[in-house]
Amino acid sequence: DAGVIQSPRHEVTEMGQEVTLRCKPISGHNSLFWYRQTMMRGLELLIYFNNNVPIDDSGMPEDRFSAKMPNASFSTLKIQPSEPRDSAVYFCASSFGTSPGQYFGPGTRLLVL
Amino acid sequence: AQKITQTQPGMFVQEKEAVTLDCTYDTSDPSYGLFWYKQPSSGEMIFLIYQGSYDQQNATEGRYSLNFQKARKSANLVISASQLGDSAMYFCAMREGDVTDKLIFGTGTRLQVFP
Repeated sequence: DAGVIQSPRHEVTEMGQEVTLRCKPISGHNSLFWYRQTMMRGLELLIYFNNNVPIDDSGMPEDRFSAKMPNASFSTLKIQPSEPRDSAVYFCASSFGTSPGQYFGPGTRLLVL
Repeated sequence: AQKITQTQPGMFVQEKEAVTLDCTYDTSDPSYGLFWYKQPSSGEMIFLIYQGSYDQQNATEGRYSLNFQKARKSANLVISASQLGDSAMYFCAMREGDVTDKLIFGTGTRLQVFP
Protein backbone atom coordinates (compact mmCIF):
# COMPACT_ATOMS: atom_id res chain seq x y z
CA ASP A 1 0.00 0.00 0.00
CA ALA A 2 1.14 3.51 -0.72
CA GLY A 3 2.13 5.60 2.23
CA VAL A 4 1.49 9.29 2.72
CA ILE A 5 2.48 11.18 -0.41
CA GLN A 6 3.81 14.71 -0.31
CA SER A 7 4.76 17.07 -3.08
CA PRO A 8 6.98 18.71 -3.88
CA ARG A 9 9.83 17.02 -2.05
CA HIS A 10 11.98 20.13 -2.30
CA GLU A 11 11.01 23.73 -2.85
CA VAL A 12 13.21 26.76 -3.20
CA THR A 13 11.50 30.10 -3.48
CA GLU A 14 12.10 33.75 -2.91
CA MET A 15 10.75 35.79 -0.07
CA GLY A 16 7.28 37.09 -0.80
CA GLN A 17 6.27 34.26 -3.09
CA GLU A 18 3.34 31.95 -2.47
CA VAL A 19 4.17 28.37 -1.58
CA THR A 20 1.73 25.47 -1.74
CA LEU A 21 2.54 22.11 -0.22
CA ARG A 22 0.41 19.09 -1.03
CA CYS A 23 -0.44 15.90 0.77
CA LYS A 24 -2.29 12.72 -0.03
CA PRO A 25 -3.00 10.67 3.11
CA ILE A 26 -3.09 6.90 3.29
CA SER A 27 -6.33 5.65 1.82
CA GLY A 28 -8.94 5.07 4.52
CA HIS A 29 -7.24 7.27 7.10
CA ASN A 30 -9.57 9.90 8.50
CA SER A 31 -7.15 12.19 10.34
CA LEU A 32 -4.49 14.33 8.71
CA PHE A 33 -1.75 16.32 10.37
CA TRP A 34 0.68 19.02 9.21
CA TYR A 35 3.96 19.33 11.13
CA ARG A 36 6.97 21.59 10.76
CA GLN A 37 10.49 20.60 11.78
CA THR A 38 13.29 23.08 12.39
CA MET A 39 16.53 22.92 14.31
CA MET A 40 15.40 25.67 16.64
CA ARG A 41 11.87 24.55 17.42
CA GLY A 42 12.01 20.83 16.74
CA LEU A 43 8.91 19.07 15.46
CA GLU A 44 5.70 20.98 16.03
CA LEU A 45 2.12 20.40 14.99
CA LEU A 46 0.66 23.15 12.83
CA ILE A 47 -2.87 21.90 12.25
CA TYR A 48 -4.85 18.70 12.08
CA PHE A 49 -8.05 17.60 10.43
CA ASN A 50 -10.50 14.89 11.33
CA ASN A 51 -12.91 13.76 8.61
CA ASN A 52 -11.77 16.77 6.53
CA VAL A 53 -12.70 19.25 9.29
CA PRO A 54 -9.97 21.35 10.94
CA ILE A 55 -9.87 20.41 14.62
CA ASP A 56 -6.86 22.19 16.07
CA ASP A 57 -5.02 24.99 14.26
CA SER A 58 -3.42 26.49 17.35
CA GLY A 59 0.03 25.73 15.97
CA MET A 60 -0.41 27.73 12.77
CA PRO A 61 2.18 30.50 13.13
CA GLU A 62 0.22 33.40 11.68
CA ASP A 63 -2.21 34.48 9.05
CA ARG A 64 0.30 33.85 6.32
CA PHE A 65 -0.32 30.13 6.80
CA SER A 66 -3.50 28.41 5.72
CA ALA A 67 -4.49 24.78 5.27
CA LYS A 68 -7.35 23.11 3.52
CA MET A 69 -8.68 19.61 3.13
CA PRO A 70 -11.31 19.65 0.40
CA ASN A 71 -11.74 15.88 0.43
CA ALA A 72 -10.52 12.77 2.22
CA SER A 73 -7.62 12.22 -0.14
CA PHE A 74 -6.04 15.65 -0.45
CA SER A 75 -4.79 18.51 1.67
CA THR A 76 -2.78 21.65 1.05
CA LEU A 77 -0.70 23.90 3.24
CA LYS A 78 -0.20 27.37 1.80
CA ILE A 79 2.19 30.09 2.84
CA GLN A 80 1.55 33.54 1.43
CA PRO A 81 3.74 35.53 1.46
CA SER A 82 6.68 33.31 2.35
CA GLU A 83 9.55 34.53 4.55
CA PRO A 84 13.05 33.15 5.16
CA ARG A 85 12.04 32.04 8.67
CA ASP A 86 9.53 29.66 7.09
CA SER A 87 12.42 27.54 5.84
CA ALA A 88 11.90 24.08 7.36
CA VAL A 89 10.85 20.54 6.61
CA TYR A 90 7.08 20.24 6.46
CA PHE A 91 5.61 16.83 7.18
CA CYS A 92 2.16 15.54 6.53
CA ALA A 93 0.92 12.55 8.54
CA SER A 94 -2.29 10.55 8.65
CA SER A 95 -3.96 8.14 11.02
CA PHE A 96 -7.09 6.06 11.25
CA GLY A 97 -9.73 6.03 13.94
CA THR A 98 -8.56 4.67 17.26
CA SER A 99 -5.36 3.26 15.80
CA PRO A 100 -2.69 5.15 17.74
CA GLY A 101 0.08 5.62 15.20
CA GLN A 102 0.43 8.59 12.92
CA TYR A 103 2.12 7.71 9.65
CA PHE A 104 4.33 10.38 8.17
CA GLY A 105 5.07 11.32 4.60
CA PRO A 106 8.62 11.90 3.38
CA GLY A 107 8.38 15.64 4.01
CA THR A 108 8.84 18.75 1.90
CA ARG A 109 12.09 20.60 2.41
CA LEU A 110 11.32 24.31 1.95
CA LEU A 111 13.97 26.97 1.53
CA VAL A 112 12.89 30.59 1.32
CA LEU A 113 15.62 32.90 0.13
CA ALA B 1 7.59 23.00 31.91
CA GLN B 2 8.53 20.67 29.10
CA LYS B 3 5.86 18.12 28.37
CA ILE B 4 8.34 15.63 26.93
CA THR B 5 11.97 15.55 28.01
CA GLN B 6 14.73 13.61 26.33
CA THR B 7 17.90 14.32 28.25
CA GLN B 8 20.31 12.40 26.04
CA PRO B 9 21.26 14.43 22.97
CA GLY B 10 23.43 11.56 21.75
CA MET B 11 24.05 7.91 22.53
CA PHE B 12 26.55 5.36 21.27
CA VAL B 13 26.10 1.60 21.29
CA GLN B 14 28.02 -1.28 19.86
CA GLU B 15 26.35 -3.53 17.35
CA LYS B 16 24.38 -6.42 18.93
CA GLU B 17 24.22 -4.69 22.28
CA ALA B 18 21.03 -3.33 23.87
CA VAL B 19 20.49 0.39 24.40
CA THR B 20 17.97 2.43 26.38
CA LEU B 21 16.82 5.86 25.26
CA ASP B 22 15.29 7.94 28.01
CA CYS B 23 12.02 9.84 27.93
CA THR B 24 10.13 11.51 30.73
CA TYR B 25 6.78 13.23 30.39
CA ASP B 26 4.63 15.63 32.30
CA THR B 27 0.85 15.54 32.35
CA SER B 28 -1.95 15.69 34.86
CA ASP B 29 -4.38 13.95 32.54
CA PRO B 30 -4.98 10.32 33.57
CA SER B 31 -5.46 9.26 29.97
CA TYR B 32 -2.57 9.71 27.56
CA GLY B 33 -0.53 7.92 24.97
CA LEU B 34 3.20 7.66 24.50
CA PHE B 35 4.96 7.11 21.19
CA TRP B 36 8.41 6.59 19.81
CA TYR B 37 9.47 7.57 16.30
CA LYS B 38 12.68 6.97 14.40
CA GLN B 39 14.10 9.50 11.95
CA PRO B 40 16.99 8.18 9.84
CA SER B 41 19.31 10.51 8.01
CA SER B 42 17.03 10.26 4.97
CA GLY B 43 14.52 12.32 6.93
CA GLU B 44 11.32 10.31 7.13
CA MET B 45 9.57 9.77 10.46
CA ILE B 46 8.90 6.10 11.24
CA PHE B 47 6.39 5.08 13.90
CA LEU B 48 7.95 2.45 16.18
CA ILE B 49 5.85 1.76 19.24
CA TYR B 50 2.92 2.98 21.33
CA GLN B 51 1.99 2.73 25.01
CA GLY B 52 -1.37 3.75 26.42
CA SER B 53 -1.53 5.07 29.96
CA TYR B 54 -3.97 2.36 30.99
CA ASP B 55 -2.04 -0.47 29.39
CA GLN B 56 -0.99 -2.94 32.05
CA GLN B 57 1.91 -4.41 30.15
CA ASN B 58 4.86 -2.74 28.52
CA ALA B 59 4.53 -2.48 24.75
CA THR B 60 6.82 -4.52 22.53
CA GLU B 61 7.36 -4.49 18.77
CA GLY B 62 10.08 -6.82 17.58
CA ARG B 63 13.40 -5.53 18.91
CA TYR B 64 11.73 -2.47 20.41
CA SER B 65 10.19 -2.39 23.84
CA LEU B 66 8.88 0.46 25.91
CA ASN B 67 9.83 0.49 29.58
CA PHE B 68 6.78 2.27 30.99
CA GLN B 69 7.09 3.44 34.59
CA LYS B 70 3.94 5.37 35.32
CA ALA B 71 4.80 6.56 38.81
CA ARG B 72 8.09 7.97 37.55
CA LYS B 73 6.46 9.33 34.39
CA SER B 74 9.02 7.69 32.22
CA ALA B 75 8.67 5.85 28.91
CA ASN B 76 12.09 4.68 27.91
CA LEU B 77 12.70 2.92 24.59
CA VAL B 78 14.80 -0.22 24.72
CA ILE B 79 16.36 -1.47 21.50
CA SER B 80 17.74 -4.97 21.79
CA ALA B 81 20.46 -6.43 19.60
CA SER B 82 21.34 -3.11 17.97
CA GLN B 83 22.02 -3.04 14.25
CA LEU B 84 23.93 -0.52 12.16
CA GLY B 85 20.63 0.47 10.58
CA ASP B 86 19.35 1.60 13.97
CA SER B 87 21.57 4.69 13.74
CA ALA B 88 19.10 7.57 13.63
CA MET B 89 17.34 10.25 15.63
CA TYR B 90 14.72 8.92 18.01
CA PHE B 91 11.81 11.03 19.19
CA CYS B 92 9.50 10.43 22.10
CA ALA B 93 6.02 11.94 21.83
CA MET B 94 2.87 12.19 23.91
CA ARG B 95 -0.81 12.50 23.14
CA GLU B 96 -2.41 14.17 26.13
CA GLY B 97 -5.96 13.17 26.96
CA ASP B 98 -8.63 11.41 24.93
CA VAL B 99 -10.10 14.41 23.15
CA THR B 100 -7.16 15.39 21.00
CA ASP B 101 -4.98 13.58 18.47
CA LYS B 102 -2.25 16.19 18.84
CA LEU B 103 1.24 14.82 19.50
CA ILE B 104 3.88 16.74 21.46
CA PHE B 105 7.41 15.72 20.57
CA GLY B 106 10.63 15.74 22.55
CA THR B 107 13.88 17.13 21.21
CA GLY B 108 15.19 13.73 20.21
CA THR B 109 18.21 11.53 20.87
CA ARG B 110 20.75 10.75 18.19
CA LEU B 111 21.78 7.10 18.36
CA GLN B 112 24.98 5.92 16.72
CA VAL B 113 25.57 2.18 16.39
CA PHE B 114 29.18 1.21 15.76
CA PRO B 115 30.58 -2.14 14.60
